[in-house]
Amino acid sequence: QQQVKQSPQSLIVQKGGISIINCAYENTAFDYFPWYQQFPGKGPALLIAIRPDVSEKKEGRFTISFNKSAKQFSLHIMDSQPGDSATYFCAATQRLKAAGNKLTFGGGTRVLVKP
Amino acid sequence: DTEVTQTPKHLVMGMTNKKSLKCEQHMGHRAMYWYKQKAKKPPELMFVYSYEKLSINESVPSRFSPECPNSSLLNLHLHALQPEDSALYLCASSQPGQGKNIQYFGAGTRLSVL
Repeated sequence: QQQVKQSPQSLIVQKGGISIINCAYENTAFDYFPWYQQFPGKGPALLIAIRPDVSEKKEGRFTISFNKSAKQFSLHIMDSQPGDSATYFCAATQRLKAAGNKLTFGGGTRVLVKP
Repeated sequence: DTEVTQTPKHLVMGMTNKKSLKCEQHMGHRAMYWYKQKAKKPPELMFVYSYEKLSINESVPSRFSPECPNSSLLNLHLHALQPEDSALYLCASSQPGQGKNIQYFGAGTRLSVL
């Protein structure tokens, strides 16, 4: 059961272009929505994150847009660079009763930025 | 400092071996996690420790045995693994009780079972 659906699975963009990745969720108990960037052989690194009461968040070239009513959110990478070539995972967190949180990942998007 | 350190980086083991993976964080986080990641797939949660107690076991086979000796350290003991257990094993930590719910990941241990 995939609670967070991510598209597309892969994306090729020219240097300087815009990469757009979309995610949708069903569980209204999710309370935080991070995006992770993962390079081959490395662990996922937090890129940017948003709370569900915020519609947009921008950090440098990365912007999250969030639509709570549609239960959808997206990542925009502006002025894409070859160094942005990586796999991107959207995710949603749900606080656990004991402590910590449970992270549900989307399926991932492999982004290739061509010079 | 948001560093989670995992050792070893690479591990090759036979199906009859016993080995351990180690994870360490010094961010004062009281929740720690083990994930398994297969190629081209997202990480899958295996275990969650909260305040050094096991709070979630995602129906992981008993050949994987987690241990949390103290608030900074998390181990994963491996015994009688199968070739299909070959994967990248990731450790993560987070600070419970705060609003951001951010998990920080280590670089992982690449495990090959022969």
